[in-house]
Amino acid sequence: SQTIHQWPATLVQPVGSPLSLECTVEGTSNPNLYWYRQAAGRGLQLLFYSVGIGQISSEVPQNLSASRPQDRQFILSSKKLLLSDSGFYLCAWKKTGNTIYFGEGSWLTVV
Amino acid sequence: AQTVTQSQPEMSVQEAETVTLSCTYDTSENNYYLFWYKQPPSRQMILVIRQEAYKQQNATENRFSVNFQKAAKSFSLKISDSQLGDTAMYFCAFMKHVASGGSNYKLTFGKGTLLTVNP
Repeated sequence: SQTIHQWPATLVQPVGSPLSLECTVEGTSNPNLYWYRQAAGRGLQLLFYSVGIGQISSEVPQNLSASRPQDRQFILSSKKLLLSDSGFYLCAWKKTGNTIYFGEGSWLTVV
Repeated sequence: AQTVTQSQPEMSVQEAETVTLSCTYDTSENNYYLFWYKQPPSRQMILVIRQEAYKQQNATENRFSVNFQKAAKSFSLKISDSQLGDTAMYFCAFMKHVASGGSNYKLTFGKGTLLTVNP
């Protein structure tokens, strides 16, 4: 069966520091991958999606970037974090069928 | 652009009772998918139920069922025999196919309804 893992689960970073959140999917190949952010406990905003290695589409201009160095690996990064980057980040995947499944999420607090 | 509206920010229900969560959406698409996701205090997003727009029959998953009214663009979730473990934030979501240089699908979420099941 397919599983998705995110890490770290919790992160506290100072303003101006870099960020790297990782997501890995197991049990499938060539999935669509997504990064969502949930700020202030409500609503999910799509940040990036990828349909293949090296293919990244950005939904919202921002301080973040995404990369897909391997088929089942999706990384969310920032060179310099802002206070407004704080939030709950969710990685998700889709393969066959029309359902998107989510990872456990990562809490980011920028201080 | 598609929008999803959940008009009930919070709801509560007594254990074993039935509750209905509302969701409306706006789209010009004819083929799409609708979902209800549950987010308990652990924050993990869990799929509850899904509905294909081309299917007239309402989806059912155990105690969870939907009332899909395509013409009215309405997609409500009914939870029967509510349990304490149903306490969570519930999100309605819409997905259409986005063909932009590659096959992809994107979810658009409502702002959620916080459901509390009381003992």
